[in-house]
Parts: sequence; structure tokens; C-alpha cells
Amino acid sequence: NAGVTQTPKFRVLKTGQSMTLLCAQDMNHEYMYWYRQDPGMGLRLIHYSVGEGTTAKGEVPDGYNVSRLKKQNFLLGLESAAPSQTSVYFCASSLTRWGGADEQYFGPGTRLTVT
Amino acid sequence: DAKTTQPPSMDCAEGRAANLPCNHSTISGNEYVYWYRQIHSQGPQYIIHGLKNNETNEMASLIITEDRKSSTLILPHATLRDTAVYYCIVRSSGSSNTGKLIFGQGTTLQVKP
Repeated sequence: NAGVTQTPKFRVLKTGQSMTLLCAQDMNHEYMYWYRQDPGMGLRLIHYSVGEGTTAKGEVPDGYNVSRLKKQNFLLGLESAAPSQTSVYFCASSLTRWGGADEQYFGPGTRLTVT
Repeated sequence: DAKTTQPPSMDCAEGRAANLPCNHSTISGNEYVYWYRQIHSQGPQYIIHGLKNNETNEMASLIITEDRKSSTLILPHATLRDTAVYYCIVRSSGSSNTGKLIFGQGTTLQVKP
């Protein structure tokens, strides 16, 4: 049981390039999330998904797109990277939205630098 | 979801109990209190959560005041590996809940030898 994994771990992009970050979970969780964390800041929610085939915007969605074609995978895309998107990106998943037992499990993060 | 207030930093001696406070004076009846921590450069880790009653697990204890406007996370015997940023988060469990977590600045706990 690997939990939540993220690919790649590190990436350097030039302004205007595109890339896709992959998040995978093997816990059969319904909900998945993408956060970004800038230096000295708490995490901010970019997009999330409440199930296969569904996505929704979080606090800071601009410049990102997501897809959830398979329940276990949640992809985050940057179509035209900008230096402001330099950050650490964390993916998370949770079993259910109901009640108090739905803690989120986080991946190890992807460190992205846009020059 | 209710906003939380935490001190920016705290120190604790190794082996002693670490008591991390959190104020959530606008919490509503169906909102849970969650605690997560983030050890340097790693993804956040779930610690504990509660609604009204005090809770304890293998990692920590959570004490929620009777009026639910504040809570305290207790690490009973802090070790150097407990040095981290601790986040107190209040989240609804109702039908409109999407599972989103709103992270604040958290409390940086430094455990010293």
C-alpha cells in the first residue's frame, strides 16, 4: 500500500512551457485535492475532485487545469508556466466527505521551479 | 468554515508535554476541529480530530473547551522528531462539505534537547 504518490518529485520549467503533474492513490479514496505551498505559507487549494470524472475549483485555480479520468489518478496541468507558479505542489486524497473520519492523506510533494 | 488563530511559534523541551493552543471562536455546531502537522519539506500529516469530546490516539490528545471556542493539542512526551508546523483547521461535516481544508499559518513547534 503506497498511499499517495506524486510524479515527478522535482522539475524546472522555462516560462511558457507546459507540464502535467501526476497524483496516484491506491486507497480507493473518492476525494482528491491539489494544493500549492509557497515559502513560509500554509497550503492553498488549487482544484479538487469529489469523484471520477468530476473536478471543481479551489482557492487559487487560475493557470491550472485538472482531470480525473480514473478514480485513482488526479492530474494537474500547467498549460503555460509562469514564474509565479514556482511552488511546492501537494496532492491529497480522502475517503469520504461525511463525518469526522475523513482525514486527508498527503503525497510527498513536487518541487517546481519556473525560470 | 470557521477561522482559527494560533500562536506563530512555540518552544518545548524534549521529553516534556507540548501544549499547542488554537482559538476558533466562530465555530458552528457541525464543524470538527482537525490537527495536521508538516515536518520540514514533507506533506502534511493528519494527527487527530474531534467534535465535542476530548480525543486521544497514539500520537496526541485533543482537548476541546465546553463552549468549543478553543482547543489544545497535547503531545505528551515531545521528541526532536515532533519539531514541525502544526495546523489547527475547522471544517464542516455537513452535506455541503467538499472535504476542503483551509490551512492558516500554523504554529511552528521547536522541540529542544
